[in-house]
Amino acid sequence: AQTVTQSQPEMSVQEAETVTLSCTYDTSESDYYLFWYKQPPSRQMILVIRQEAYKQQNATENRFSVNFQKAAKSFSLKISDSQLGDAAMYFCAYRSARGAQKLVFGQGTRLTINP
Amino acid sequence: DTAVSQTPKYLVTQMGNDKSIKCEQNLGHDTMYWYKQDSKKFLKIMFSYNNKELIINETVPNRFSPKSPDKAHLNLHINSLELGDSAVYFCASNLGAGIYNEQFFGPGTRLTVL
Repeated sequence: AQTVTQSQPEMSVQEAETVTLSCTYDTSESDYYLFWYKQPPSRQMILVIRQEAYKQQNATENRFSVNFQKAAKSFSLKISDSQLGDAAMYFCAYRSARGAQKLVFGQGTRLTINP
Repeated sequence: DTAVSQTPKYLVTQMGNDKSIKCEQNLGHDTMYWYKQDSKKFLKIMFSYNNKELIINETVPNRFSPKSPDKAHLNLHINSLELGDSAVYFCASNLGAGIYNEQFFGPGTRLTVL
């Protein structure tokens, strides 16, 4: 079974600075997808960024980028120019490319932005 | 125009009661899911339906019974509620496989069992 681990329960960063959230995963599959979701206090789950395992190029979405290291099974999220609205829980998630489409989530990291 | 909606958003009930949570999506998706988020914010899959057929049934007590009357609806019925059932329950949906067929989540239903 696949597992996802986020070792940082909480992180904080100064507004306008850069922060990196860590995620590692375990799988025996070669084809899969990885995601970062944001959950603000409103509780809504919002997709931040996605990465296909067979793509070596790291995904980027505006201020959000990932560092995907397939051999190390590592998938970290970098947030540049942090804004107050980035404050939220962030979840790393794994999804197999075949079969059942369930998301396997990490424990989450609570990100605080200091003004 | 809400994509994935859940009713109710909040549910407070006594131990031993039976309750249902309803989910509807208007995105034309063929697969729907129930996830449970516990008090420590951990999210875990419970069930998944594809075209009204159950395809994922994780280790969940049989007091939980999902029902999908059609592709657009997935309901969750819980019998004999226990304190440990208190959580936020999320419905989600997507259209088939592929990385760009992301799962869209509903707003969640916070269930409190007293």
